[in-house]
Amino acid sequence: DTAVSQTPKYLVTQMGNDKSIKCEQNLGHDTMYWYKQDSKKFLKIMFSYNNKELIINETVPNRFSPKSPDKAHLNLHINSLELGDSAVYFCASSQEISRGGNIQYFGAGTRLSVL
Amino acid sequence: SQQGEEDPQALSIQEGENATMNCSYKTSINNLQWYRQNSGRGLVHLILIRSNEREKHSGRLRVTLDTSKKSSSLLITASRAADTASYFCAFSNYNQGGKLIFGQGTELSVKP
Repeated sequence: DTAVSQTPKYLVTQMGNDKSIKCEQNLGHDTMYWYKQDSKKFLKIMFSYNNKELIINETVPNRFSPKSPDKAHLNLHINSLELGDSAVYFCASSQEISRGGNIQYFGAGTRLSVL
Repeated sequence: SQQGEEDPQALSIQEGENATMNCSYKTSINNLQWYRQNSGRGLVHLILIRSNEREKHSGRLRVTLDTSKKSSSLLITASRAADTASYFCAFSNYNQGGKLIFGQGTELSVKP
């Protein structure tokens, strides 16, 4: 069983469209994250949720909206896609810091190409 | 910038040789971790070293941490072709909600 799974794996779309990426983890973790990895492999955190509550919100355009329906799911919706949004987006999860963890478990990534 | 820096950016060695990668950071940290990313895949956690530790081993991996120099190194001994991947250091301060700040990675190529 995949621990952190995200769909789709590839997403090709036109500028201006709206798209969503879904993420689910079956590790029982309380905290989930979204990262963006650019073409130079630089990995930057975008958002973090702890038990459905937003705890980290980096400087990300408000076209990006995370949604956590429950602690096992964290979806990312992107409005009005731009060329610069092309990247690989990774979902990750970890235990709460208070329980001694921030070792993160990553999904396989969603490669988004905006044309 | 909070981003970690890794060096070298790329490293090419023969199977059986050792590979050393270095990471430097600028803030205070609670722990530093190393992750591996195979081409087209997600990151996989390798090892975590806490700020009060100086060295840690896991199999063929050896990690050192020097908080006075704000630097860490990852040594892979007796490398194998399967070790070919990108290696990232990531550090965190628990006051920042567990957020990991990553270095830009070292691309390791191990030739058979």
